[in-house]
Amino acid sequence: DVKVTQSSRYLVKRTGEKVFLECVQDMDHENMFWYRQDPGLGLRLIYFSYDVKMKEKGDIPEGYSVSREKKERFSLILESASTNQTSMYLCASGVSGGTGGNQPQHFGDGTRLSIL
Amino acid sequence: GDSVTQMEGPVTLSEEAFLTINCTYTATGYPSLFWYVQYPGEGLQLLLKATKADDKGSNKGFEATYRKETTSFHLEKGSVQVSDSAVYFCALRSIQGAQKLVFGQGTRLTINP
Repeated sequence: DVKVTQSSRYLVKRTGEKVFLECVQDMDHENMFWYRQDPGLGLRLIYFSYDVKMKEKGDIPEGYSVSREKKERFSLILESASTNQTSMYLCASGVSGGTGGNQPQHFGDGTRLSIL
Repeated sequence: GDSVTQMEGPVTLSEEAFLTINCTYTATGYPSLFWYVQYPGEGLQLLLKATKADDKGSNKGFEATYRKETTSFHLEKGSVQVSDSAVYFCALRSIQGAQKLVFGQGTRLTINP
């Protein structure tokens, strides 16, 4: 069965800390995505990656960076955490190219991050 | 740019009621359309999809039809159950830009017994 695993369900950090959120997929998907979910705003794309070491900014990249050193792993980094980054973070993966547009993305269970 | 608009929530219904959650979209070309569901404490799961005009996606008693003329993809279910309580997201997958998903704001549905 398809599996996207996020390293933590709940995380509490302090303002100014560097925070790492990890995501691993076992489906050999080319594309991986990081979203944040906030009430009334739905899901907003932070960054995505379409290949190892490749990345593109999404709609709200400010304050975040990403790393993809291996195909199955995609990390989201909060360089200096701030309280407005308190949110639910969701990782997803999916196929690319050709008929990939017809295929869904597969999501992890999310990490609820609180910045104090 | 591409966008998705869902009906405002929250929506509260009694068990066995008829459900409609409206979704309209703005996009270039012919995107694929999706409904995702998020149960409490979980990530998003694909509920159904449609990839071209007039396609009907269906799953677990839910249905939605891709209407190109009205740019809509409304979600319907004839008789809801308490277990359908969740947040529902309409989304489109653009034909441009690495095929990323664009989501609506989500609609929280609560079904009372």
